[in-house]
Amino acid sequence: DTEVTQTPKHLVMGMTNKKSLKCEQHMGHRAMYWYKQKAKKPPELMFVYSYEKLSINESVPSRFSPECPNSSLLNLHLHALQPEDSALYLCASRLGNTEAFFGQGTRLTVV
Amino acid sequence: SQQGEEDPQALSIQEGENATMNCSYKTSINNLQWYRQNSGRGLVHLILIRSNEREKHSGRLRVTLDTSKKSSSLLITASRAADTASYFCATDAQKDTGRRALTFGSGTRLQVQP
Repeated sequence: DTEVTQTPKHLVMGMTNKKSLKCEQHMGHRAMYWYKQKAKKPPELMFVYSYEKLSINESVPSRFSPECPNSSLLNLHLHALQPEDSALYLCASRLGNTEAFFGQGTRLTVV
Repeated sequence: SQQGEEDPQALSIQEGENATMNCSYKTSINNLQWYRQNSGRGLVHLILIRSNEREKHSGRLRVTLDTSKKSSSLLITASRAADTASYFCATDAQKDTGRRALTFGSGTRLQVQP
């Protein structure tokens, strides 16, 4: 199984809502990533978890809260987002410094 | 922040032609990778070249790496309409914390006309 599964595929939320994005992999990868991607731009790193511990936070606003409950799951909790946070959110997992496996992303729209 | 720049930003060619994309990066690397992305969905890994390699092939893909110039190129030969996508190079760039994480170049949007 070389899949990274992200849910939901699409999400529309209001600025006062709380929602969560989920990511799951069963490849035994111990590094998991969240990226944000705006249209016609490259993926921009947000967070990295290594062995279920947060190892990199790229100065992401606190309205984005990551969580890694176990080695297979990665969540991104969203609260009080702004319209400019609308983007494609991508999850990836990796073994060491080899290739990364990406999910299909969650297309988030904040209204 | 991006690891580097890619050029061209956009490339339009006819089916059967070759497509060349270039990537420059800033920090020292262990390896450099190329990814493809269709229509804003997930990225798919294409090829990895290690810092001690100069050239690598995979099917219709040829990647070169020049660590002295901190640059790489991706050549797609005999292009097909299905190759239409965005292509990104990526390296494990060192962050402010001293840790490294996979960071992407600015990307090239390739359009292959049938």
